Amino acid sequence: GAGVSQSPSNKVTEKGKDVELRCDPISGHTALYWYRQSLGQGLEFLIYFQGNSAPDKSGLPSDRFSAERTGGSVSTLTIQRTQQEDSAVYLCASSLVQDFIQPQHFGDGTRLSIL
Amino acid sequence: ILNVEQSPQSLHVQEGDSTNFTCSFPSSNFYALHWYRWETAKSPEALFVMTLNGDEKKKGRISATLNTKEGYSYLYIKGSQPEDSATYLCAFITGGGNKLTFGTGTQLKVEL
Repeated sequence: GAGVSQSPSNKVTEKGKDVELRCDPISGHTALYWYRQSLGQGLEFLIYFQGNSAPDKSGLPSDRFSAERTGGSVSTLTIQRTQQEDSAVYLCASSLVQDFIQPQHFGDGTRLSIL
Repeated sequence: ILNVEQSPQSLHVQEGDSTNFTCSFPSSNFYALHWYRWETAKSPEALFVMTLNGDEKKKGRISATLNTKEGYSYLYIKGSQPEDSATYLCAFITGGGNKLTFGTGTQLKVEL
């Protein structure tokens, strides 16, 4: 597709369950970023991948969060043993390279609700 | 901790009005400033990436200026239209930084 694709668009799950969010970046973009926006907060950086380099995980809020990027393309963000405070919109973005001079192209996000 | 502040938090204007809002960021070790527009039920859309003090960028009726010495950027919309209604986000990164730090946005509503 032409843009960044995220799935599912909405996810409702019970506290304690694991969830997996998927991001398909723009073809040819080597950099991929995950953010989340909790109610009333700004976009919060979680993790980024640049090419085949080790990801920068410095924004992950706890060890329940992990992400991987297979073959330099599709990425999945996994949240284990979800808590109510994990409820947020999770956004994925990609850019041509990770130099922060390139604009980031965002997907529509996954709205995660933890009951 | 880097703070990016946007003001006002929300703004209602009439169609045809011109408007502007502010993004403030730490002035030391500046690297780049991004502006995005986020319409409800859509994905954030890149407007501008600005890197040089005194930079001015324009896209249609929207323009932005940058003052890195005093740590602010203005976004201007000329002749607002209902389709301009959105949340406008700015994001900042320092030299050697590893992430964009986003403000909480200015929510603009343009009424007929």
